[in-house]
Amino acid sequence: EDKVVQSPLSLVVHEGDTVTLNCSYEVTNFRSLLWYKQEKKAPTFLFMLTSSGIEKKSGRLSSILDKKELFSILNITATQTGDSAVYLCAVANNAGNMLTFGGGTRLMVKP
Amino acid sequence: DGGITQSPKYLFRKEGQNVTLSCEQNLNHDAMYWYRQDPGQGLRLIYYSQIVNDFQKGDIAEGYSVSREKKESFPLTVTSAQKNPTAFYLCASNSRLTGATDTQYFGPGTRLTVL
Repeated sequence: EDKVVQSPLSLVVHEGDTVTLNCSYEVTNFRSLLWYKQEKKAPTFLFMLTSSGIEKKSGRLSSILDKKELFSILNITATQTGDSAVYLCAVANNAGNMLTFGGGTRLMVKP
Repeated sequence: DGGITQSPKYLFRKEGQNVTLSCEQNLNHDAMYWYRQDPGQGLRLIYYSQIVNDFQKGDIAEGYSVSREKKESFPLTVTSAQKNPTAFYLCASNSRLTGATDTQYFGPGTRLTVL
């Protein structure tokens, strides 16, 4: 059974801090790892990673995948209150179109 | 506007009643999914459908049913057999085009409360 574990469960920081969110996985026939941001309702897509060592970057957010050690990190630099959300990690395998989600990390950024 | 819509936004149900949650997409996506999210938890897959008139059980299908008569629509029925239905329900869809199959796009969700 595919498994995704995120840490920490929750995190409180102040504006301007840098945070690192972790996602480890056990997946048969891994295909990709995805990060989503969920504020109040629908998760919105951030990144999809398929290759080790290649950083994906969007503004202050970046993410990298390590397929040997089976984990990914999501970095947010110079955090803002608008970054407050639950960050979800999910993995896809080659068996089909399904995603297996981790439990999420709840980030709160205080002014 | 293209996207995924879910209705209603909030739904209250008495114990013993069946309710149906609506999910519609105009993205021309082949695959559609239903997830359940409990407070402080990630998403768990209930049912998914990769093409019209076909659907498969996910990890927690007991007490739920679906249909896929049209490409655009994937309604979820929460039956009285579902023992703990109070949760946030999310619908998602994605394309089966090569290179784009993994990214799922989500609707705004329906919050179901059983009274």
